[in-house]
Amino acid sequence: QVQLVQSGSELKKPGASVKVSCKASGYTFTSYTMNWVRQAPGQGLEWLGWINTNTGNPTYAQGFTGRFVFSLDTSVSTAYLQISSLKAEDTAVYYCAREGISATGTVYWGQGTLVTVSS
Amino acid sequence: SDELTQPPSVSVSPGQTARITCSGDALPKKYAYWYQQKSGQAPVLVIYEDNKRPSGIPERFSGSSSGTLATLTISGAQVEDEADYYCYSTDSSGKVFGGGTKLTVL
Repeated sequence: QVQLVQSGSELKKPGASVKVSCKASGYTFTSYTMNWVRQAPGQGLEWLGWINTNTGNPTYAQGFTGRFVFSLDTSVSTAYLQISSLKAEDTAVYYCAREGISATGTVYWGQGTLVTVSS
Repeated sequence: SDELTQPPSVSVSPGQTARITCSGDALPKKYAYWYQQKSGQAPVLVIYEDNKRPSGIPERFSGSSSGTLATLTISGAQVEDEADYYCYSTDSSGKVFGGGTKLTVL
């Protein structure tokens, strides 16, 4: 069965960097684009962008260029989100979500990774 | 990027019909999707491609779209339907979520 398993919670200081991983299993990793979504505490869902897992080409939503970097390691079917120069407002749950919907309407999301930025 | 606008909150009594709207200029050309998110949980897709219901989603959930307005309808809302609902679509830049609607059923 399809699974997306994300890395555990992170506590970082302002100015530091963090790298969140999303390990896929149960399907051909390079066949589906991977989205990244975040949700700040008490706030709505926000699309950060996506990465073409076949070509490695990333697309970033407005406001998420520069400090946010998507990458891949196809040898281990894993997508990564790296955020540099962390700010308090980056505190959020970060989700990976596979692009596409199955024939039964199923979509696949990771369980979410809480990144807390605090001094 | 295009925006999707939702009402912040909708409140109904159990058994009533809840309607949550999503307005966006791209909707005449793009599908609307609806996610349900309960407190502390990952989002769950309840409607895709305007009006299709994923396997396992109760029949009381339905969707429609006309022009710039997409609507999620919960016919006979149950207490367990109380959650945040987000519409989602594509725009010229990629994807976009609406701001979310808190559905209260009591």
